[in-house]
Amino acid sequence: DSGVTQTPKHLITATGQRVTLRCSPRSGDLSVYWYQQSLDQGLQFLIQYYNGEERAKGNILERFSAQQFPDLHSELNLSSLELGDSALYFCASSKAQGLAQETQYFGPGTRLLVL
Amino acid sequence: AQTVTQSQPEMSVQEAETVTLSCTYDTSESDYYLFWYKQPPSRQMILVIRQEAYKQQNATENRFSVNFQKAAKSFSLKISDSQLGDAAMYFCAYRRDPYGGSQGNLIFGKGTKLSVKP
Repeated sequence: DSGVTQTPKHLITATGQRVTLRCSPRSGDLSVYWYQQSLDQGLQFLIQYYNGEERAKGNILERFSAQQFPDLHSELNLSSLELGDSALYFCASSKAQGLAQETQYFGPGTRLLVL
Repeated sequence: AQTVTQSQPEMSVQEAETVTLSCTYDTSESDYYLFWYKQPPSRQMILVIRQEAYKQQNATENRFSVNFQKAAKSFSLKISDSQLGDAAMYFCAYRRDPYGGSQGNLIFGKGTKLSVKP
């Protein structure tokens, strides 16, 4: 158990809908990263938050957004869902941004299926 | 942009034998970090081993060790005394040195599926 929790574990929804994925980082971790794992794109970085602020953006679609709350949990919002958004979404956390020895610990992931 | 390449989509090893998974990467930076993550059928991403580019000594973690060749931009993972529980997808990942305002996200290879035969 990495100490990172993600809910829900599974999510089935229809095209055009909106969903919210939730992540709670390990105790004491200030950075949260979101990754998407799909068959065709592999593991891709979406976005990073550090202590409530956005720090870095990767290949995140405009239909997707995220935020980190004062208690450090994070939510990834996916809207106008398309079939191609079906994937495993991981959250990872680390203690701080910018420290050389940082390691990212991954949550169990949320499996999203868009029908 | 940095890229990570795992040229072996699938590998197989006999239980108790040794196997080496290959990884190469492309970067113009001198300071960075390399990781191997394991993803078993449960889909959990588990850190196996980490290597700092400024360290010449290869990292080891029990039965797992790496062969880090900085000039060749190669980072292979050796698994000794393979066990059935080692069967999983293995991902090589690169991370830029986060100092100087760089992003700290991981860049992953496509993965190598390792099967362990009893």
